[in-house]
Amino acid sequence: AQTVTQSQPEMSVQEAETVTLSCTYDTSESDYYLFWYKQPPSRQMILVIRQEAYKQQNATENRFSVNFQKAAKSFSLKISDSQLGDAAMYFCAYRSAWSGGADGLTFGKGTHLIIQP
Amino acid sequence: NAGVTQTPKFQVLKTGQSMTLQCAQDMNHEYMSWYRQDPGMGLRLIHYSVGAGITDQGEVPNGYNVSRSTTEDFPLRLLSAAPSQTSVYFCASRATGRIEQFFGPGTRLTVL
Repeated sequence: AQTVTQSQPEMSVQEAETVTLSCTYDTSESDYYLFWYKQPPSRQMILVIRQEAYKQQNATENRFSVNFQKAAKSFSLKISDSQLGDAAMYFCAYRSAWSGGADGLTFGKGTHLIIQP
Repeated sequence: NAGVTQTPKFQVLKTGQSMTLQCAQDMNHEYMSWYRQDPGMGLRLIHYSVGAGITDQGEVPNGYNVSRSTTEDFPLRLLSAAPSQTSVYFCASRATGRIEQFFGPGTRLTVL
């Protein structure tokens, strides 16, 4: 079974600064997808960014980018120019690309991101 | 499109009561799934469905039943609620061949 580990229960960053959230995962599969989800106090799950394992290029979405290290099984999220609206829980998640497996995401326990004004 | 909808938003049950959490999507997605989120934990997969009439168990299926009679609806049934089922429940869906899952707003369930 796959596991996802987020080793930082809480992170704090000054507004306009850059912060990196860590995620490692364990899998024996070679084809899979990785995601970062944001959960604000409203509890809605919002997809921030995704990465296909077969792509070597790191995904970027505006101020959000990832550092995907497949050999190290690491998938960190970098938030540049942090804004107050970025304050939330952030979850790293994994999904197998194999169609014969369970169709669902495996989540880490989350990192609570605090933005200091 | 309303996306993924869940009802109710909040529910309080007594131990032993039964209830159904409703989930519906209007995007014609084949794949649907149920997760629970406990404090300090990420979401964990309860059950999932790859199409009407097809369901399977996820990581934490005990105490829950599901069925999928239509593409749009995927209800989650608690036959005899227990305090350990106090949690926030999320429904999600995705289209065949697409990577992204869309989540509903969640249902907060308290079992006394």
